[in-house]
Amino acid sequence: EVQLVESGGGLVQPGASLKLSCVASGFTFSDYWMSWVRQTPGKTMEWIGDIKYDGSYTNYAPSLKNRFTISRDNAKSTLYLQMSNVRSEDTATYYCTRDKVNYGSHYWYFDFWGPGTMVTVSS
Amino acid sequence: DIQMTQSPASLSASLGETVTIQCRASEDIYSGLAWYQQKPGKSPQLLIYGASSLQDGVPSRFSGSGSGTQYSLKISSMQTEDEGVYFCQQGLKYPYTFGAGTKLELK
Repeated sequence: EVQLVESGGGLVQPGASLKLSCVASGFTFSDYWMSWVRQTPGKTMEWIGDIKYDGSYTNYAPSLKNRFTISRDNAKSTLYLQMSNVRSEDTATYYCTRDKVNYGSHYWYFDFWGPGTMVTVSS
Repeated sequence: DIQMTQSPASLSASLGETVTIQCRASEDIYSGLAWYQQKPGKSPQLLIYGASSLQDGVPSRFSGSGSGTQYSLKISSMQTEDEGVYFCQQGLKYPYTFGAGTKLELK
């Protein structure tokens, strides 16, 4: 059974840094691209970025690429999201997802999601 | 960025009723569209990918259709467990983007 479990969320002050983790199980982690997606309290969904199965390539939403960094440790089947200089608008539930691609038509989607970890940015 | 516009924002349906949710992309996304269901307090679950392919384990009353910029999700016979919020997502171009969601309630 595929499982993704995020951790590391909590209350953080504006301007601080935070690192989220996502431990994967039930599949060969090193075979899959992975993404982070967040959902605001108002339920808006925003894709943050993704990382190639071997960690050699990352891509980010333009509005976040200067403050957020995605990495992975395939030996530990763990995905990370490093957040820096956080702002109140970063308050959200953060999900890690397993990515799937249709190579013929080259589109991507998210076939499994973790339960999420909540981040609240407030002084 | 590709903008995804969903409609309606909310709707209520009776048991057994057919429900249709629309999603429009700001440019052609060549069927690179997925639909997700999110129940209260839970993470989203994939229903449909590639505009019309049913994810394993999803009931056959769910179906997707469309092409170009216009897509729809249909529930052929509303059930109690179908209450929740439905999101569309384009996966053709970075950054991947989502619709604002449609809240579906049982009447």
